[in-house]
Amino acid sequence: KAGVTQTPRYLIKTRGQQVTLSCSPISGHRSVSWYQQTPGQGLQFLFEYFSETQRNKGNFPGRFSGRQFSNSRSEMNVSTLELGDSALYLCASSLELAGTGMNEQFFGPGTRLTVL
Amino acid sequence: GQNIDQPTEMTATEGAIVQINCTYQTSGFNGLFWYQQHAGEAPTFLSYNVLDGLEEKGRFSSFLSRSKGYSYLLLKELQMKDSASYLCAGSNSGYALNFGKGTSLLVTP
Repeated sequence: KAGVTQTPRYLIKTRGQQVTLSCSPISGHRSVSWYQQTPGQGLQFLFEYFSETQRNKGNFPGRFSGRQFSNSRSEMNVSTLELGDSALYLCASSLELAGTGMNEQFFGPGTRLTVL
Repeated sequence: GQNIDQPTEMTATEGAIVQINCTYQTSGFNGLFWYQQHAGEAPTFLSYNVLDGLEEKGRFSSFLSRSKGYSYLLLKELQMKDSASYLCAGSNSGYALNFGKGTSLLVTP
């Protein structure tokens, strides 16, 4: 099976612009989560989508949004970019561990966003 | 959610055993995951614990004590390629993962 793919891999934007990142999960996985990774804060949860619905949301401002399509592919959007949004954005597709109420998450390679 | 605490850095010698500790707040806790992340790469799944006790997977083992809000990852027979960041993550009932900031492990010859 192909792994999680993310596009683009690298992106440079300027303050005030908006950006859309894309994630294609592993075939058969219906849950997609997004994380922001920075050296200072580590991996922080943004949101999770399951069957086209946002199921969980982290503590990020409304400038960060996402959606999921019927084929489970997901996009996240960041509007009015700030310098502090520079980070590695990781997408993870998930398979529920039967009977545990937890997901095993498989990460994509990430999109490195630089805001100038 | 859980506040996940783990040491920032550790150093160990090739061939040795190292234990990376992780503590978390127990409210809403469902289970605990360990991930490995090499520099410039995506995190990869190592193990998970739901029940108290030790889970062994080859050179890697993970332990959980739910009552103490404590877990550790044990790496045996360390190899140079084990130099990486090790991420502890708590799972709550909502399927999201709450990650610690990671422990950077350096394996020296």
